[in-house]
Amino acid sequence: DTGVSQDPRHKITKRGQNVTFRCDPISEHNRLYWYRQTLGQGPEFLTYFQNEAQLEKSRLLSDRFSAERPKGSFSTLEIQRTEQGDSAMYLCASSFLGQGEKNIQYFGAGTRLSVL
Amino acid sequence: AQSVTQLGSHVSVSEGALVLLRCNYSSSVPPYLFWYVQYPNQGLQLLLKYTSAATLVKGINGFEAEFKKSETSFHLTKPSAHMRDAAEYFCAVTGGGNKLTFGTGTQLKVEL
Repeated sequence: DTGVSQDPRHKITKRGQNVTFRCDPISEHNRLYWYRQTLGQGPEFLTYFQNEAQLEKSRLLSDRFSAERPKGSFSTLEIQRTEQGDSAMYLCASSFLGQGEKNIQYFGAGTRLSVL
Repeated sequence: AQSVTQLGSHVSVSEGALVLLRCNYSSSVPPYLFWYVQYPNQGLQLLLKYTSAATLVKGINGFEAEFKKSETSFHLTKPSAHMRDAAEYFCAVTGGGNKLTFGTGTQLKVEL
């Protein structure tokens, strides 16, 4: 098992551009989470999926943000019309929620976004 | 709703000294509690977890934490600090289902 994989690790973009990040969870994990971490802060929840269904979205997830998990495996997070305030580390985590399982979340290395 | 307070954004210890990182939580339901460690420019690595079993939880790298319901605390300790322990540590809580709610983190510095 290779763990949670995120791509790219770093992204530099100009304000107003669209960006897309990818997350590949641990195989057979049915839950996938996106968090955002700004400098000096703890991660903040953005959204999560159970299989392909997006079950919860934070108020932090503005209309410019969209996340998908089309086949219940990998997920993408797209930010449209990026703003400087979007600069942050975007973390993906996955877990398995099932009978007897405690929904322990395992994190990827993150994608660091810099908006110029 | 759940929340976490980590007292002390920066903690400095000498190598070989006791490490104590403080975490207090608030939860409207029986909590699950976690400590994660983050090294520079990396994601979060799970150190240990409390999920309503034993109140003294042992984790990786010699760390342990004790769940104290009466004090709503889940402090992280290690008897003897090592240089490689220098990192940022996050306490997190969940109501057992969904999202994690993190504290603001404690940066641990280990000095010779």
